[in-house]
Order: sequence, then C-alpha cells, then structure tokens
Amino acid sequence: EAGVAQSPRYKIIEKRQSVAFWCNPISGHATLYWYQQILGQGPKLLIQFQNNGVVDDSQLPKDRFSAERLKGVDSTLKIQPAKLEDSAVYLCASSPGHGPGNTIYFGEGSWLTVV
Amino acid sequence: KQEVTQIPAALSVPEGENLVLNCSFTDSAIYNLQWFRQDPGKGLTSLLLIQSSQREQTSGRLNASLDKSSGRSTLYIAASQPGDSATYLCAVKVLREETSGSRLTFGEGTQLTVNP
Repeated sequence: EAGVAQSPRYKIIEKRQSVAFWCNPISGHATLYWYQQILGQGPKLLIQFQNNGVVDDSQLPKDRFSAERLKGVDSTLKIQPAKLEDSAVYLCASSPGHGPGNTIYFGEGSWLTVV
Repeated sequence: KQEVTQIPAALSVPEGENLVLNCSFTDSAIYNLQWFRQDPGKGLTSLLLIQSSQREQTSGRLNASLDKSSGRSTLYIAASQPGDSATYLCAVKVLREETSGSRLTFGEGTQLTVNP
C-alpha cells in the first residue's frame, strides 16, 4: 500500500515569496491533515479536511496560508507571502476517518527554509 | 485548551536498558492517545494507539499505558537497541463539538539515544 506522498521535499525561498506544497493521501482515506512542525517542537494542526470539506482551520494563519482539497483527494497548501517564522516542516497526514480507532498516517514532510 | 507535556526532553541510555518515557495531558476528556516515532528527516510513524476505554497496548518490546483520570501515559521500551534511537512523540485526540471533528495535540517529544 502506497503511503502519503508529499512534494517538494525541500524548498528554500526568500521572505515575501510564495510557496506551494502538494499532498496525495493514502487511497480511500477521507480525512486529510496539514501540520506545521517547527524544529524542536511537536506538530501543530493547520487544517483538517473531511473529503473535500474543511472541518477545522482554526489554527491556520489565514492572512498568508491557504489550502484546498479539490475532488476530495489531493491537497495543496500555499504560503504567500512567506515570513522567516514559517521555516518548518509541513507534514501531510491522512486517515480513513476521524473515529476513535483510526490510525493517522504521516508523509515524510516538506522542509521549508525562509531566508 | 489541551496541553501535552513530555518528560524528559532528551534521554541517553546504554543498549539493553529498559526505559520509560512520560506524557501528561491537561484535559482528561480524550478520544484516544497515540505514541509516534520520528526519525531525523522523516515523518511520523504510529507505534501504539490506546482508545480512551483502554488501559494499555503492547507491540513487541513496546508497552504503552494510559491513566485518563490522572492525565498520564507512559511508553515502556524493553531491552533498548541502538535502532530505537529517535524522537518519540505523544499525542492526544479530543473531539471538537464546534466542528464535529477531532484534533490531535502533540507533545514536544523525547529525543532518545541508545548507545551501543
């Protein structure tokens, strides 16, 4: 079974530039998550989709971050304009649903450095 | 607001030792608790998931316990090996009525080094 795929793996941009990350979840998984993990910290949820609808985006900095999940499969996370403090790993994850027994599966992350 | 704390932040042990990693959370109304492993430059791998109605889960040399009333979980690793070196993250899932969804809140992790 293929895992959660993310691209690009690494990106270096200057502040005020824009960047986009792509995620392809495990086939059939209805729930998709984007997390931000700053070095030395645990991941923090940015946005959660159930199929193609947003379930939770309360921690997404909406002035600069946006995400979409067209057709309920792939998802894209965009940052525009980037700030230095956005340097982090952006982890995409998916699960079959959000019921109590569902295991969440993570991709390997997209590493962003803003200079 | 749910907060998750992990102690210690870092741990270095000789190979073969049994060890315990600790996790505490502030809101006992959790859905479930998961322990993850993160290797450098990699994503997270789920190790054990404990439902809110369960007290413990075991997988090989790993045993995780859950005491909801006290807001604590421990991850016990038996006979540690150098390959166990990684960061171990604890995360709790809580329901969010306002969104009809759930949220996974992570601790900051314990960085484990097992020396040969």
